[in-house]
Amino acid sequence: NAGVMQNPRHLVRRRGQEARLRCSPMKGHSHVYWYRQLPEEGLKFMVYLQKENIIDESGMPKERFSAEFPKEGPSILRIQQVVRGDSAAYFCASSYDRATNEKLFFGSGTQLSVL
Amino acid sequence: KQEVTQIPAALSVPEGENLVLNCSFTDSAIYNLQWFRQDPGKGLTSLLLIQSSQREQTSGRLNASLDKSSGRSTLYIAASQPGDSATYLCAVAAGGNKLVFGAGTILRVKS
Repeated sequence: NAGVMQNPRHLVRRRGQEARLRCSPMKGHSHVYWYRQLPEEGLKFMVYLQKENIIDESGMPKERFSAEFPKEGPSILRIQQVVRGDSAAYFCASSYDRATNEKLFFGSGTQLSVL
Repeated sequence: KQEVTQIPAALSVPEGENLVLNCSFTDSAIYNLQWFRQDPGKGLTSLLLIQSSQREQTSGRLNASLDKSSGRSTLYIAASQPGDSATYLCAVAAGGNKLVFGAGTILRVKS
């Protein structure tokens, strides 16, 4: 079991470009969560997805950010028209059941740098 | 709104010392509380999970306690080692499906 896999590990984008971050959950996990860690801050919840459904996106910025978890393939966090303030570490986590019931397993994160 | 606070923000101890990390949360209506370890440039590793009905959990040299009524948890590390150096994060599973994290305690164990 390879664990939660995120790629790329590092992503550099210029202002105005699009960033796509990918997350493959642990085998058998159908719950995926995205968190963002800004410099010098704690992790903040962004979105919770199950296969083909967004369950809770209360932490997502209203514009430019979107997430999906298709029936086949990894979960994608997409940031359109990136700005410098989007520079952060983005972590994906997965679980077999809901986060209220059990441990989350985190990936190593994607460090996004916006020039 | 749930808020999680961790004290101290940073801690430096000599190898072999026992130490305590503190976590407090403002809303006692939680499902569980987790302690994580974060190493630089890496993801988070779950150390211990305490369900709301439990008082403590132990794993090796680690012991975590939970006092839900007072909104507090402690992580006790016995006989600390340089390899324990990392950032330790406390997180509560509150309403909905999200974890609310504290800002962490940066631990350095000197050899």
